[in-house]
Amino acid sequence: QLQLQESGPVLVKPSETLSLTCTVSGDSIGDLYYWGWIRQSPDKGLEYVGVIDSDGNTYYNPSLKSRLTLSIDTSKNQFSLNLRSVTATDTAVYFCARTRGSGSFGDYWGQGALVTVSS
Amino acid sequence: DIQMIQSPSTLPASVGDTVTLTCRASQNIDTWLAWYQQRPGKAPKLLISKASNLESGVPSRFSGSGSGTEFTLTISGLQPDDFATYYCQQYENHWTFGQGTKVDIK
Repeated sequence: QLQLQESGPVLVKPSETLSLTCTVSGDSIGDLYYWGWIRQSPDKGLEYVGVIDSDGNTYYNPSLKSRLTLSIDTSKNQFSLNLRSVTATDTAVYFCARTRGSGSFGDYWGQGALVTVSS
Repeated sequence: DIQMIQSPSTLPASVGDTVTLTCRASQNIDTWLAWYQQRPGKAPKLLISKASNLESGVPSRFSGSGSGTEFTLTISGLQPDDFATYYCQQYENHWTFGQGTKVDIK
């Protein structure tokens, strides 16, 4: 059974970088699928962050593109998110998910990680 | 950006009811639409892709229809587990989610 688990700091200071890692178990991250990040906050609801494929090709939400970097480490079966220069509006539950393409949907999701941006 | 509008925001219902949730896209998305169920404190669970394709393991009481800009999710014979929030998501251009419809107990 495929499982995804987010990990990373739960509290980030304004202007710093939010970093999260998603560890995938039950399948190889280097197979046919794509891997994505979605966040959810009371203000904005569910928001697409970005997607990366096993070759490292990335597809970003245009509104976050200037601050966002996604990366993938197939040897560790992990993919990661770095969001720079965060503000309180980046406070959200961050989900990682498996997707069936860059323009697709999430068919398996992690449980989510609440990240708060505050000094 | 493609906007997704769901209605109603809240839908009071009883066990056994048949309910229909609506999702409208701000422009034509063909059938590039997914539906999710989310329970409090949990991740969204994929129910339907390509507007009407039921995911493996999802009960047949869930069905989706529509194309272009108008879509519906129907739950036929509501079960206790179905009281949750439902989201639509377009994937014609990036991803955009609707704001959700909460199905709660009447």
